[in-house]
Amino acid sequence: GENVEQHPSTLSVQEGDSAVIKCTYSDSASNYFPWYKQELGKGPQLIIDIRSNVGEKKDQRIAVTLNKTAKHFSLHITETQPEDSAVYFCAASFGANFGNEKLTFGTGTRLTIIP
Amino acid sequence: KAGVTQTPRYLIKTRGQQVTLSCSPISGHRSVSWYQQTPGQGLQFLFEYFSETQRNKGNFPGRFSGRQFSNSRSEMNVSTLELGDSALYLCASSATGGDTQYFGPGTRLTVL
Repeated sequence: GENVEQHPSTLSVQEGDSAVIKCTYSDSASNYFPWYKQELGKGPQLIIDIRSNVGEKKDQRIAVTLNKTAKHFSLHITETQPEDSAVYFCAASFGANFGNEKLTFGTGTRLTIIP
Repeated sequence: KAGVTQTPRYLIKTRGQQVTLSCSPISGHRSVSWYQQTPGQGLQFLFEYFSETQRNKGNFPGRFSGRQFSNSRSEMNVSTLELGDSALYLCASSATGGDTQYFGPGTRLTVL
C-alpha cells in the first residue's frame, strides 16, 4: 500500500519568513496530493491540493510543488503569520483513477510562528 | 453551504461497551470516509461509503463497522470497545470519487 513520509516533524519560523514542509510517497499510482491544516480541537482543513498532471500550484501565500519522478511534493508558506501556527498534514491518494477515495496521511508537521 | 457535521463531539465509554458515531456530509456530497486519529498512529483510514455501498476499507478489525443511508448520512459503530480505541474519529465528505475531501470537527472518544 501507499506510504507517505513527512519532514520535519516540528518547525519554528520567525514571523515573516518562509516555511517549507516536504513529503515523499511510495506508490507511483498516486495522483492526488492535498495538504491539510489542523488547529487544536478542530478537524483538518484543506488548504491546497495538487493533481499529478500539474507541477506547481499557488494560492496567495501558499504553494505546492510536485516532482512525480522523485515522488515527492512540498508545501511552501511565504510571509508567515502567527495564525499559520498549526499542525500540517500532507496526504496522497489514487482516488481519481479508481473512483474511490483513501487518503494516506503523513505524520504531520507542527509549525510554530515566532512573533 | 453547511460543512460536515459530526455528533456527538465528545463521548466517554467503558471497555466492552459499543458506540455509534454519526456524520452528516455537505449537502450534495455522496461519498463519506472515516478516519481515526491518534497521537501514536496518526491519521488512519477506516472505510469509505458511496451511495450506501462500502467501496474501500482500511486495516481495522471487524469491531469497526459503518453504514450509509440514502440521504448520504453515515454512521460508524465500534463494538467491544478497547482502551486503544480512544481517539479522534473524523468524517470527511466529497462529491464523488476522486474529489476533494472536507473534514468535520471529529468525535473525541475516550474509553475508560
